[in-house]
Amino acid sequence: GNSVTQMEGPVTLSEEAFLTINCTYTATGYPSLFWYVQYPGEGLQLLLKATKADDKGSNKGFEATYRKETTSFHLEKGSVQVSDSAVYFCALTRNSGYSTLTFGKGTMLLVSP
Amino acid sequence: DTGVSQDPRHKITKRGQNVTFRCDPISEHNRLYWYRQTLGQGPEFLTYFQNEAQLEKSRLLSDRFSAERPKGSFSTLEIQRTEQGDSAMYLCASSLPLTSGRSTSYEQYFGPGTRLTVT
Repeated sequence: GNSVTQMEGPVTLSEEAFLTINCTYTATGYPSLFWYVQYPGEGLQLLLKATKADDKGSNKGFEATYRKETTSFHLEKGSVQVSDSAVYFCALTRNSGYSTLTFGKGTMLLVSP
Repeated sequence: DTGVSQDPRHKITKRGQNVTFRCDPISEHNRLYWYRQTLGQGPEFLTYFQNEAQLEKSRLLSDRFSAERPKGSFSTLEIQRTEQGDSAMYLCASSLPLTSGRSTSYEQYFGPGTRLTVT
């Protein structure tokens, strides 16, 4: 079956530090990959996505590249801000009309001033 | 811009009672999904609809759970004879498949969730 594995948190960084949150997946075929973010007290928001191998998704300074050879979709940001403190979820969906999401457990990011 | 809305936002109930949650998707979205999220975990898929048809149900959805989307617009999720293990955040999402060339993407937009506590 499909599964997503994320690094455990919390990840604690100082403002302007470099961020990497690791995500690897297991899936048959060619899934689409997503990062969702959940800010405190709010619902899940789509942060970025990639639908095929070697695609790079990017948004708000965050990036992730779909690596089929390593089955990975690591989230990176060059300089984090306090406002980036949230829980980040890696997720996948199989293509070909099947659209339900399989999520990882989430990684909490805490950024201090 | 009206997003996905859910009602109620919080529900506290006693074990054995029935509860019903409502989800209103983004108006032009034809797909609607229900997920459940427990503390420290990612959301887990429960069921989804395309228009009014319920196309898939997870094994997590026991016989005590039922979902409907009678007119292809809003949806309800009912839990009968609640148990303490049902305590969780219940999330609703909606999507409209977007096709570009040969690829189709399904960006799901989530509501704020209904937090259920069973005492």
